[in-house]
Amino acid sequence: ETGVTQTPRHLVMGMTNKKSLKCEQHLGHNAMYWYKQSAKKPLELMFVYNFKEQTENNSVPSRFSPECPNSSHLFLHLHTLQPEDSALYLCASSQDPSGGSNEQFFGPGTRLTVL
Amino acid sequence: GENVEQHPSTLSVQEGDSAVIKCTYSDSASNYFPWYKQELGKGPQLIIDIRSNVGEKKDQRIAVTLNKTAKHFSLHITETQPEDSAVYFCAASIRQAGTALIFGKGTTLSVSS
Repeated sequence: ETGVTQTPRHLVMGMTNKKSLKCEQHLGHNAMYWYKQSAKKPLELMFVYNFKEQTENNSVPSRFSPECPNSSHLFLHLHTLQPEDSALYLCASSQDPSGGSNEQFFGPGTRLTVL
Repeated sequence: GENVEQHPSTLSVQEGDSAVIKCTYSDSASNYFPWYKQELGKGPQLIIDIRSNVGEKKDQRIAVTLNKTAKHFSLHITETQPEDSAVYFCAASIRQAGTALIFGKGTTLSVSS
């Protein structure tokens, strides 16, 4: 176990549904990330939160909406997705900037299928 | 921005042989290079990393080398075992929390007994 949990582990949704992915880290970290992992592609960064503030949005469509209520929790709200959004969505966290480390710990991911 | 190339995409070895995976990066400002192992149904797990002030790092059967001048780094696994079979990813970033890791496309390593 890496100390980063994600729920649900699997999700099937229609194109008109609204759902949310949840990530929680128990490591005392202050930076959290959403990555998308599609077949045959590198992991793609979607969003970065540092001390609860969004510091990066990697040109992600607005049908993906992140939320970071505190340093331990990160959500990804999904609405009107497309079939090509089907992928493994990975959450990660890393230590606060004063530690000077970017060692990222990943959760197990949510396997999303959009019908 | 940073771009990371990883080779080979697939690698098959016999148990006990060595395996080498190579990556190149484009941004000379990158100074942190982790390697992740991803098993089926799991998220990537950090197995070893190297900072740019070090040329080589070893942890039991795993070693990583870095050539800053050539902008490439490699993962070496010796005495491979079937449980080493997984997808391996290299990545590069600036060593600062809140900075994105830029990943290679991954190498699927198969170790046959």
